[in-house]
Amino acid sequence: EAQVTQNPRYLITVTGKKLTVTCSQNMNHEYMSWYRQDPGLGLRQIYYSMNVEVTDKGDVPEGYKVSRKEKRNFPLILESPSPNQTSLYFCASSPRTVPSYEQYFGPGTRLTVT
Amino acid sequence: AQSVTQLGSHVSVSEGALVLLRCNYSSSVPPYLFWYVQYPNQGLQLLLKYTTGATLVKGINGFEAEFKKSETSFHLTKPSAHMSDAAEYFCAVSEDSNYQLIWGAGTKLIIKP
Repeated sequence: EAQVTQNPRYLITVTGKKLTVTCSQNMNHEYMSWYRQDPGLGLRQIYYSMNVEVTDKGDVPEGYKVSRKEKRNFPLILESPSPNQTSLYFCASSPRTVPSYEQYFGPGTRLTVT
Repeated sequence: AQSVTQLGSHVSVSEGALVLLRCNYSSSVPPYLFWYVQYPNQGLQLLLKYTTGATLVKGINGFEAEFKKSETSFHLTKPSAHMSDAAEYFCAVSEDSNYQLIWGAGTKLIIKP
């Protein structure tokens, strides 16, 4: 089944404890992206990647890191999480690096930082 | 800069009534327009999109949207609401010069029995 998977789905952690949220897609998509969703703010892009070893900042990259060593994986790293990073996170992928193609979303990771 | 405005963070309609969710965008060039739906505790899925051609676009679950360039709008409609339509709906826009999707804040659709 074609899908984007994220792990974990739910995570509660403490301030400063490094964590990684994994994202994997099995559709051979070039483009991948991370978003955070907060009430009333819609989706805000954190980082995106146009292909392997090519990543770039989105609108809210502070406090996050990403890497794209393989086409299928795009992990999101929080080196020192803070409470303002409590949010719902979505990974997405797209088959082409052109804007007319739809994005396919993972199920989301709900992160709570205390 | 591009922006997307969704009028109404919450819209409530009765089951069987018309659904109208509004989306206006700002763009200096022809845009690509999308509506996504997010059901409770799920990720987003594409409802429909406009790229080129016919301005009335049909999507899944009986939804459709019309691109009106003169009004810079892409409103989402459905003739008769079902309880299963209760979800949050997001409008998004992109352009050839910008690979990134610009998102509206979302509209939560509430269906009254």
